[in-house]
Amino acid sequence: QQQVKQSPQSLIVQKGGIPIINCAYENTAFDYFPWYQQFPGKGPALLIAIRPDVSEKKEGRFTISFNKSAKQFSLHIMDSQPGDSATYFCAASMPGNTPLVFGKGTRLSVIA
Amino acid sequence: DAGVIQSPRHEVTEMGQEVTLRCKPISGHNSLFWYRQTMMRGLELLIYFNNNVPIDDSGMPEDRFSAKMPNASFSTLKIQPSEPRDSAVYFCASSLKGAGNFYEQYFGPGTRLTVT
Repeated sequence: QQQVKQSPQSLIVQKGGIPIINCAYENTAFDYFPWYQQFPGKGPALLIAIRPDVSEKKEGRFTISFNKSAKQFSLHIMDSQPGDSATYFCAASMPGNTPLVFGKGTRLSVIA
Repeated sequence: DAGVIQSPRHEVTEMGQEVTLRCKPISGHNSLFWYRQTMMRGLELLIYFNNNVPIDDSGMPEDRFSAKMPNASFSTLKIQPSEPRDSAVYFCASSLKGAGNFYEQYFGPGTRLTVT
């Protein structure tokens, strides 16, 4: 049973485009929703995170949109660059210092 | 800050051998998580510790896997005996309460294990 569903599996955009990655969750007890970026041969790196009481959060070129009623959240990357080419994972966790449940990942390629 | 440190970075071993993976969490972080990443199953939790105490090991595949955290700065994940299906990248992460009042997990570089 997959608790966090992520789509698409892969995405190709032109430089300057705005890739959007979507995630959906089932467990309404989740209260923390981070996004991680992973380059080949590296560990996942925390990119941006949101709580369900907020509908949007921006950090630099990265924006999370959160729809609590639909149990969905998404990552938008503004003015995407070739250096953004990586695998992106959404995740969710229960309250407190608890493990993350990850989506299956989206491989993003930004072409010049 | 050196971040989460894992060793070895790569391990190649033969089926049946014992494998020990090591992790040093970020100083001051009081929780440690072991995850495994495979193409088929993605990133999955194996076990996690709070204040050196194991909290949930339900993700450990079977009795061949064991983990310890003898002190706040060191943890091991042991596989004995290893099998080819254990081949994966194993990540250690530690966590700290962030500015947004939630716990942020920071990952190490991983250990790529290949069992032949």
